[in-house]
Amino acid sequence: AQKVTQAQTEISVVEKEDVTLDCVYETRDTTYYLFWYKQPPSGELVFLIRRNSFDEQNEISGRYSWNFQKSTSSFNFTITASQVVDSAVYFCALSEDDMRFGAGTRLTVKP
Amino acid sequence: DVKVTQSSRYLVKRTGEKVFLECVQDMDHENMFWYRQDPGLGLRLIYFSYDVKMKEKGDIPEGYSVSREKKERFSLILESASTNQTSMYLCASSLSPFREQVFGPGTRLTVL
Repeated sequence: AQKVTQAQTEISVVEKEDVTLDCVYETRDTTYYLFWYKQPPSGELVFLIRRNSFDEQNEISGRYSWNFQKSTSSFNFTITASQVVDSAVYFCALSEDDMRFGAGTRLTVKP
Repeated sequence: DVKVTQSSRYLVKRTGEKVFLECVQDMDHENMFWYRQDPGLGLRLIYFSYDVKMKEKGDIPEGYSVSREKKERFSLILESASTNQTSMYLCASSLSPFREQVFGPGTRLTVL
């Protein structure tokens, strides 16, 4: 069975610090997809990124970047120069034929 | 603006009541999902559906059932609500199992 582990339950940083959210997954399949979602205080989950198992290129989108390493089964998410608006719960998810989510990491960015 | 809507943001029910949670999407998505979200447990999949009248059990289907009579609507039913079903319920839809899911705002259900 697929499994996603987000070992960091809560992280607190001061604005402008860089922060990395860890995600480790388990799967027996060779074809799968990895996702990150953000859940701000308003509650609605927002999709951030999708990555397939054959594409190990890292991706950067503004202050966000993602590091996918199949060798360590990890798909980590880094926010550079964090801002208060980044405060949210972040979920990593794995999809083979249906989606399974990690427990989430609550990020608090203090001014 | 494409979206997933859920019938209620907050719901309070009594133990033993039959509860219906409705979810509607306007994106013509094939796939729809119901999750419950509890602190420290993340999102757990209750049921999902890949097509009209189709349903598949997720990780925690006990105490729940679903109905999908139309493509755009996916209902979650608690046949006899219990206090341990107090939770946040999230509905989502996607174009395919490997595509990102679009989530509704959630229904916070309290069973007294």
